[in-house]
Amino acid sequence: DTGVSQNPRHKITKRGQNVTFRCDPISEHNRLYWYRQTLGQGPEFLTYFQNEAQLEKSRLLSDRFSAERPKGSFSTLEIQRTEQGDSAMYLCASSSRTGEYDEQYFGPGTRLTVT
Amino acid sequence: AQSVTQPDIHITVSEGASLELRCNYSYGATPYLFWYVQSPGQGLQLLLKYFSGDTLVQGIKGFEAEFKRSQSSFNLRKPSVHWSDAAEYFCAVGAGSGGYQKVTFGTGTKLQVIP
Repeated sequence: DTGVSQNPRHKITKRGQNVTFRCDPISEHNRLYWYRQTLGQGPEFLTYFQNEAQLEKSRLLSDRFSAERPKGSFSTLEIQRTEQGDSAMYLCASSSRTGEYDEQYFGPGTRLTVT
Repeated sequence: AQSVTQPDIHITVSEGASLELRCNYSYGATPYLFWYVQSPGQGLQLLLKYFSGDTLVQGIKGFEAEFKRSQSSFNLRKPSVHWSDAAEYFCAVGAGSGGYQKVTFGTGTKLQVIP
């Protein structure tokens, strides 16, 4: 178990550019979540995958955001036409239900700065 | 919809002193409650969780939390704080259907430990 990994760890981009982040979950986990954390706030839920199916999307996920999880393994989060308000830490978590609850394990996050 | 309130944005304690971080939640049913810790540049680490049963739960690193339904609270405690406990602490409530958990986080309490 090597934990959840995210790449890149940091990304600086200019407003209007597209960016893509990758999340590699714990290998046996079939559930994957994306969260966004802005400065001084707790993480906010963005979207959830079970295997390759995207089952829920937050209203925070505007049309400029798209997430995929091909083949139910790694996931990507793409932001098109970035805006300064997109600057945040993007966290990925994965889980596999055991017992009553599926405990989410978080990656280190990707910090996005839009200039 | 569930929500979490952490009334203390920042707390300073002396090393060796006791610690209590406050958390109040709002949720219509029996909640799943969590405390996470986040060190600078790190992902979220689960300290402890409550689902049901004994209302006093033990976690890692010597932390414990007590669930009080009548007060809608889930306060985190530690009898003697170490300098390495300096970090940001997030209380969270989990809710969902279909077997997955959408976790809602509080805004966090930043803990400073002074010698």
